[in-house]
Amino acid sequence: GAGVSQTPSNKVTEKGKYVELRCDPISGHTALYWYRQSLGQGPEFLIYFQGTGAADDSGLPNDRFFAVRPEGSVSTLKIQRTERGDSAVYLCASSLSVGYNEQFFGPGTRLTVL
Amino acid sequence: GQQVMQIPQYQHVQEGEDFTTYCNSSTTLSNIQWYKQRPGGHPVFLIQLVKSGEVKKQKRLTFQFGEAKKNSSLHITATQTTDVGTYFCAGPRYGGSQGNLIFGKGTKLSVKP
Repeated sequence: GAGVSQTPSNKVTEKGKYVELRCDPISGHTALYWYRQSLGQGPEFLIYFQGTGAADDSGLPNDRFFAVRPEGSVSTLKIQRTERGDSAVYLCASSLSVGYNEQFFGPGTRLTVL
Repeated sequence: GQQVMQIPQYQHVQEGEDFTTYCNSSTTLSNIQWYKQRPGGHPVFLIQLVKSGEVKKQKRLTFQFGEAKKNSSLHITATQTTDVGTYFCAGPRYGGSQGNLIFGKGTKLSVKP
């Protein structure tokens, strides 16, 4: 079956603009995770959903970042008033449920803020 | 705050040599996971260890979880060029939810044929 997909694969935007990054998890996976990865670093946890609700959003760096998963499947990460420091690869992952710790990662969205 | 450290940061080996990476957490972990990320790719789950002192093998890869559940290691026997990539360990953040993982910075392995 299909893996986790993310769109767009690359996004270039200007400082101050708004961006949306989309994640389509593996069908049937109830847990969905967002991470941010900078060059030479491990993935940095942002938020995860169990179903439609955000079970833990403690990794969101500030209130410019927001994520939704309205129907318990596709999720959108939204970044307002982007800053150059937001430039990174944003990774999405999914798992059967949060109790099944094997996470399947998508290819990521490379965000560049000019 | 909690730290998960990996050493070495980089390792260059000749094909056929063995390789080991170490992961150390500042706090006890309920479980530890290992992921591999190929150059230009995304992390791929390798294994999860749960029990104190647990050892698991996957072909040429041997994973170990320390007795105190604060450290772990990944050993690759007779490396091949297909082993190239960055190996990350990760564990649940202390005081956080099970889904809130903290990753180490990884060990980048290069293999010279």
